[in-house]
Amino acid sequence: EAAVTQSPRNKVTVTGGNVTLSCRQTNSHNYMYWYRQDTGHGLRLIHYSYGAGNLQIGDVPDGYKATRTTQEDFFLLLELASPSQTSLYFCASSPLGYEQYFGPGTRLTVL
Amino acid sequence: AQSVTQPDARVTVSEGASLQLRCKYSYSGTPYLFWYVQYPRQGLQLLLKYYSGDPVVQGVNGFEAEFIKSNSSFHLRKASVHWSDSAVYFCAVSANYGNEKITFGAGTKLTIKP
Repeated sequence: EAAVTQSPRNKVTVTGGNVTLSCRQTNSHNYMYWYRQDTGHGLRLIHYSYGAGNLQIGDVPDGYKATRTTQEDFFLLLELASPSQTSLYFCASSPLGYEQYFGPGTRLTVL
Repeated sequence: AQSVTQPDARVTVSEGASLQLRCKYSYSGTPYLFWYVQYPRQGLQLLLKYYSGDPVVQGVNGFEAEFIKSNSSFHLRKASVHWSDSAVYFCAVSANYGNEKITFGAGTKLTIKP
């Protein structure tokens, strides 16, 4: 089973602050994804990548940057955090882009 | 573009009763379909998937789902629920070519009454 870890698990920042969320997967999957989860919306795709150095735009990318530095590591960057970005963030990986394996999530609060 | 509708935001059933969670999808071709489960304070876990073949697919813990193309549905079923099945269930759809993305429904929160 794929192992996906996320850090930090909880983060509190202020409006305008700088935040980096980290994700690591250890099963050599090609695809990695960042989602946000909000009540009533399910999961919404922010960015994804199919390999180191690659980045694809998701469905709700505004206010977010992402970078895939290695096969294992995928980062989500919020450079000027806003209260609307308060959410539960999930990272996922996938070998072929279909079934996905999720990390435990990071709860971000922007005050 | 694909989309998923889960019409029931919350479902409550008694322990030992049967269960059906509804899912309707919209996609012009033949989809890949998934059900995921999310237990409290955890990430999503794959429950079952349909790619092709037998339209009834079996998943973990006694769950199954049936793909009905004529109805664009992929409902989740279980014959007898247990209190530990309390969770949020997400239906998801993907194109059956290398489109790399899956689209999730809003989820159904299942509560099991003792």
